[in-house]
Amino acid sequence: DAKTTQPPSMDCAEGRAANLPCNHSTISGNEYVYWYRQIHSQGPQYIIHGLKNNETNEMASLIITEDRKSSTLILPHATLRDTAVYYCIVRGGMRFGAGTRLTVKP
Amino acid sequence: KAGVTQTPRYLIKTRGQQVTLSCSPISGHRSVSWYQQTPGQGLQFLFEYFSETQRNKGNFPGRFSGRQFSNSRSEMNVSTLELGDSALYLCASSNRDRGSTTGKLFFGSGTQLSVL
Repeated sequence: DAKTTQPPSMDCAEGRAANLPCNHSTISGNEYVYWYRQIHSQGPQYIIHGLKNNETNEMASLIITEDRKSSTLILPHATLRDTAVYYCIVRGGMRFGAGTRLTVKP
Repeated sequence: KAGVTQTPRYLIKTRGQQVTLSCSPISGHRSVSWYQQTPGQGLQFLFEYFSETQRNKGNFPGRFSGRQFSNSRSEMNVSTLELGDSALYLCASSNRDRGSTTGKLFFGSGTQLSVL
């Protein structure tokens, strides 16, 4: 079953770019990579997803390596409100993992 | 468009009791998934229902069960509650098609269950 690996925590200075890595070396060829974030004890919120090409939306950018074994979520100008737990998932949400706790500091 | 609604928001039960949690998905979504979240284990997938049929199941004991109705509303039931069942239970709906694992998940605010 597809599994993701993320660092447990990261810090970022306010206004700087936050780069959150994810390893998904067992991803299948037709599986998308999805990113969500969870603030406090609210339900996770969708951020972005991609298959093989890099993607960008109003919230973030997603860079997927050519072999699709890893990806990086980029928050271009992190704010204090971006402090949250970020989850990288594959396989339709059946394996969320522990995520990365991002702390944005002033 | 209304989001995913979970009821109740908070629940307190005692060991040995059973509990039923409810989830109303976004209108038009036929896929509903359930998750258990605890501080030590993170988000754990319980099961997914699509058009009243369970199509995926996580690694939880048989005390955890669910169902989905024809209007896509879903319930999950936990019987013979244990202290370790204390957790935030989250429900998510998706407009994914039958047989597909793609599609955004839209989460509710969850039900916080405390077992005493």
